[in-house]
Amino acid sequence: QVQLVESGGGVVQPGRSLRLSCAASGFTFRSYAMHWVRQAPGKGLEWVALISYDGSKEYYADSVKGRFTISRDNSKNTLYLQMSSLRAEHTAVYYCARVFKEGSVTYDYWGQGTLVTVSS
Amino acid sequence: DIQMTQSPSSLSASVGDRVTITCRASQSISNYLNWYQQKPGKAPKLLIYAASNLQSGVPSRFSGSGSGTDFTLTISSLQPEDFATYYCQQSSNTPFTFGPGTNVDLK
Repeated sequence: QVQLVESGGGVVQPGRSLRLSCAASGFTFRSYAMHWVRQAPGKGLEWVALISYDGSKEYYADSVKGRFTISRDNSKNTLYLQMSSLRAEHTAVYYCARVFKEGSVTYDYWGQGTLVTVSS
Repeated sequence: DIQMTQSPSSLSASVGDRVTITCRASQSISNYLNWYQQKPGKAPKLLIYAASNLQSGVPSRFSGSGSGTDFTLTISSLQPEDFATYYCQQSSNTPFTFGPGTNVDLK
């Protein structure tokens, strides 16, 4: 069965960096675009970034552009989100999500989420 | 950016009620509209894609309609497991914005 398992969250000081991982299993990872979506405590969902199935294309929300980098290693079935110069407003649960089919932006599978807390 | 709004922001309903949630886009998105259900502490779950297509495994009491800028999610007969927050999301253009959510709770 399809599984997405995020890791790498935790408490980090403002200005520091953090890398999130999303380990995928149960499907042909290299065939699917992947996204990161976040949710600040008590707030709604916010799209963060997407990467194409082969890693050749990346897109970002303006709120993270220049600070966050999405990447993937298809040999390891793993998606990453490198976050730098973190600020309090980056505090959120970060979800990785698989798209329904190539070219779509419909998420049929989500990870359980990993909490990032930016605080001194 | 395309802005998404939802109404109401919250509603109270009883088991068996018919519930309708509206989502509006700031510009036409054709049928590039998804609906998700989220329960506290859980990841969202896909209910409806492309405005009106029921995701596999989702009960038929859920339905979606609309195109262009105005969309609706309907639950024909609310069940205890349906108390949750519902989000629409446009999948037409980056950034792929979500609506602010509609919380459905027990009257």
